[in-house]
Amino acid sequence: EVQLVESGGGLVQPGRSLKLSCAASGFTFSNYYMAWVRQAPKKGLEWVATISTSGSRTYYPDSVKGRFTISRDNAKSSLYLQMNSLKSEDTATYYCARHYYGYNYWGQGVMVTVSS
Amino acid sequence: DIVMTQGALPNPVPSGESASITCQSSKSLLHSNGKTYLNWYLQRPGQSPQLLIYWMSTRASGVSDRFSGSGSGTDFTLKISSVEAEDVGVYYCQQFLEYPLTFGSGTKLEIK
Repeated sequence: EVQLVESGGGLVQPGRSLKLSCAASGFTFSNYYMAWVRQAPKKGLEWVATISTSGSRTYYPDSVKGRFTISRDNAKSSLYLQMNSLKSEDTATYYCARHYYGYNYWGQGVMVTVSS
Repeated sequence: DIVMTQGALPNPVPSGESASITCQSSKSLLHSNGKTYLNWYLQRPGQSPQLLIYWMSTRASGVSDRFSGSGSGTDFTLKISSVEAEDVGVYYCQQFLEYPLTFGSGTKLEIK
C-alpha cells in the first residue's frame, strides 16, 4: 500500500525557516517524480515544487522560487521541503504527492502557520 | 502561466441527478503526443485531494465509472452521473502540460 506521511509543520515567525519531511512507502520511491502542493485555509490548491527522480531537476512557481528548496533522499525514501524567509501568505496545509500522470497519491498534509 | 477557470454548479444537486463541472484553460493542453494534459481531483471535506481523471478522459484506478471527463484543447467537462452523497466536496481541474502547474479555483458540489 502506498503511503506518504508528512511531518515537520508547526508555528513559525515571519522570516524564519522550517523544513518539512515526507516519508514514502509501498512503492519504489526512486522511480517517481515527487511534489509538494499547499492549500491555504479555506482556499484552493497551489502547486509548490516538483523534483525529478534523481533530484537533478527541480521546479517552482514564482511565489516560492528562491525561498523554498525541494530535495529527496532516495536511500531513505524521503522527500523534503526547506522553507526559508517565510511569510504570512505561506500559511497552509502542505501535501506531499507522488507525481506521475497526475498526483495519484497524496499524504494527509501538515499544517504550517506563519505568524508572530 | 496557464490560467484555469472553473464554472460553478447550481447547488444543491438532487441525489440521483447528473452534474457537469466545466473548466477552461488559457492555452491548449493538447500535447504533440496526442494526449491532453488535464486532470480532475476531488477533495472531500476534511480529506486530501484524490485524482479522478487524467489525460482529460482516463479514469484513475478505483474511480467509479459514474465519473467521466471530456473536452477539447481548452474547454473541459467533468460529468458525474447519478450523484451520490459520497460525491460531496470540491472538484479541481489542473493543467499538467507545463510549469508552473496550475489548478482551477475549485467547484463545490452539494447534494440535496
